[in-house]
Amino acid sequence: AQKITQTQPGMFVQEKEAVTLDCTYDTSDPSYGLFWYKQPSSGEMIFLIYQGSYDQQNATEGRYSLNFQKARKSANLVISASQLGDSAMYFCAMRTQGAQKLVFGQGTRLTINP
Amino acid sequence: ETGVTQTPRHLVMGMTNKKSLKCEQHLGHNAMYWYKQSAKKPLELMFVYNFKEQTENNSVPSRFSPECPNSSHLFLHLHTLQPEDSALYLCASSQPLGTSDYNEQFFGPGTRLTVL
Repeated sequence: AQKITQTQPGMFVQEKEAVTLDCTYDTSDPSYGLFWYKQPSSGEMIFLIYQGSYDQQNATEGRYSLNFQKARKSANLVISASQLGDSAMYFCAMRTQGAQKLVFGQGTRLTINP
Repeated sequence: ETGVTQTPRHLVMGMTNKKSLKCEQHLGHNAMYWYKQSAKKPLELMFVYNFKEQTENNSVPSRFSPECPNSSHLFLHLHTLQPEDSALYLCASSQPLGTSDYNEQFFGPGTRLTVL
C-alpha cells in the first residue's frame, strides 16, 4: 500500500524567507509520481509541481522546487522568497504507475508572516 | 466558466434529506473524480469515472451515489447521510492515463457539506 507522511502540521515563516515542507512516502512500486498541491482557504486544490520516480533532475517550477531524494523516499517542497499569498495548506501526494488514485498526506499549514 | 466548478459551495442538510452535488469541468478531460476531505484526515478518493464509466469505487457507502451523464459533468447524490459525513467534497478531472506524463488532476473549489 502507498502512504504519504507529512510530519509538520504547521509552519510559520517570515516573508521573503525560503521554506521547506517535508514529505516522505512509502511504496513498493518502482514507478510512481509525486505531486504537491496548495489549498488556500477558498478550498480549491492547486497543482504546484510534479516529480517522476525516474526523473534524474529535481523538478522546478518558478519559486517552487522539489528536493527529491529517492533513496530516502523523500520529496520535500522548497518555496523560495516566500510571499504573503503563499499562506495555505500544502499537500504532498503520490500516484503509482497505472493508477489514477492520488494518495495524499495530512498536509502542512504554512503561514507567512509580514 | 473555466476549470472545474462545483455547486453548491455550501450545503446544510438533515439526515433524512436527499440532495445532489454537481461538478462541471471545462477542460476537455475524460476522467473525473470525487474526493472527501474530512477534518484531521487526508483526502480520500471516493469514485473515479473514465469516459463516463465508473472505474473505481473506494468502498464508499451506498448512501453516496455518483452519476456521470457525460465527460463534462459529475454528480454525487446524497441520501440518509450521517453527521460524520460532514466534510468538504472535492471534484477533480484529468486526462485519462497514458495521455500525458503528469496526468495531474485539476480540482474544483469543493462543496462544504454539513449534516445535522
